Amino acid sequence: AQSVTQPDIHITVSEGASLELRCNYSYGATPYLFWYVQSPGQGLQLLLKYFSGDTLVQGIKGFEAEFKRSQSSFNLRKPSVHWSDAAEYFCAVVGRSGGGADGLTFGKGTHLIIQP
Amino acid sequence: DAGVTQSPTHLIKTRGQQVTLRCSPKSGHDTVSWYQQALGQGPQFIFQYYEEEERQRGNFPDRFSGHQFPNYSSELNVNALLLGDSALYLCASSPGLSDTQYFGPGTRLTVL
Repeated sequence: AQSVTQPDIHITVSEGASLELRCNYSYGATPYLFWYVQSPGQGLQLLLKYFSGDTLVQGIKGFEAEFKRSQSSFNLRKPSVHWSDAAEYFCAVVGRSGGGADGLTFGKGTHLIIQP
Repeated sequence: DAGVTQSPTHLIKTRGQQVTLRCSPKSGHDTVSWYQQALGQGPQFIFQYYEEEERQRGNFPDRFSGHQFPNYSSELNVNALLLGDSALYLCASSPGLSDTQYFGPGTRLTVL
């Protein structure tokens, strides 16, 4: 069974500073990986996804993520954070069976705090 | 183009009661998945519906059941509610069995 680990429960970053959120996955085959963001009391918004090909993927809101198979990682980055980036960030992996996608397996999330 | 919608927004029930939550998928999507998100945790997969059948199920008891209608909308039913069922219930939809799921705003269930 697949699993996702987000080692950092909380991260505090100053506005304008760079950001990296860590994600490690466990999956037997080529993983399909996602990053979602959740504002308080809201649903999940897809930031970006990796299926295959270029290991550096671009997403919305200036985010990017790099897939590293050798490290089983899919870390999320942003060069300069804005106060509006404060939220909960979830990394997820999707399994596949019967020719289609299964349910997502999520990490426990990283809470991002932006300092002025 | 409306995204995934869920109703109700909030719900308060007492232990032992039954609850039904509803989800309408994004236009053009025919697969619906349900997730439970306890406070401070990541979402956990409950089950997935495709072609009006339960295609896959996570590690949840039989008290959790669902249904998908011909218009692809879906219901999540929880019987014999426990305090531990208090959570945000998220619905996600996707076209076919594709990998990318789009989430609704969720239903906040409180069990007293």
